[in-house]
Amino acid sequence: DVKVTQSSRYLVKRTGEKVFLECVQDMDHENMFWYRQDPGLGLRLIYFSYDVKMKEKGDIPEGYSVSREKKERFSLILESASTNQTSMYLCASSLQQSYGYTFGSGTRLTVV
Amino acid sequence: GDSVTQMEGPVTLSEEAFLTINCTYTATGYPSLFWYVQYPGEGLQLLLKATKADDKGSNKGFEATYRKETTSFHLEKGSVQVSDSAVYFCALRRGFQKLVFGTGTRLLVSP
Repeated sequence: DVKVTQSSRYLVKRTGEKVFLECVQDMDHENMFWYRQDPGLGLRLIYFSYDVKMKEKGDIPEGYSVSREKKERFSLILESASTNQTSMYLCASSLQQSYGYTFGSGTRLTVV
Repeated sequence: GDSVTQMEGPVTLSEEAFLTINCTYTATGYPSLFWYVQYPGEGLQLLLKATKADDKGSNKGFEATYRKETTSFHLEKGSVQVSDSAVYFCALRRGFQKLVFGTGTRLLVSP
């Protein structure tokens, strides 16, 4: 089975810190995605990538950036964390010509 | 743009009751439709999918039929179990573009 691994399940950071959320997949998937999940808002796409060194903005990219230097790794960066970025962050991957996404278990980030 | 609308939750049922979670969509063309499930403390898992009109997706006793005339993809299960308690997300995808999710519906099943 494809595995998508997110480096931390729980993270607490201070306002203004630079935060890195890491995601690694082990099945050579071309596509990778970062979502945030908030009650009543469902999943909202932050950034996605169709290939190494490629990135595309999703629906809510403000305050975030991403890095994809290797095919298997997709990092989400909060340049200066703010309390409104407290959320559950979900990473996903998929093959280019595939319908299904595989999700990681999520990182619950709290910014204090 | 594309969008998915799900019924508000939580849906509270007793074990062995019949489940329906409504999902309707707005999209141009012919999207593929999905149901994902999120168990407590976990990421989302694909539950079932349908790629064209009148297709029925099924898995683990859950079913959903792609109804183009009503732009719907309602999730059903004949007899729910406590272990089905989770959040269910309806989603669509046109071609190989990104998934668009609904807001999720929480299901609570009591013994």
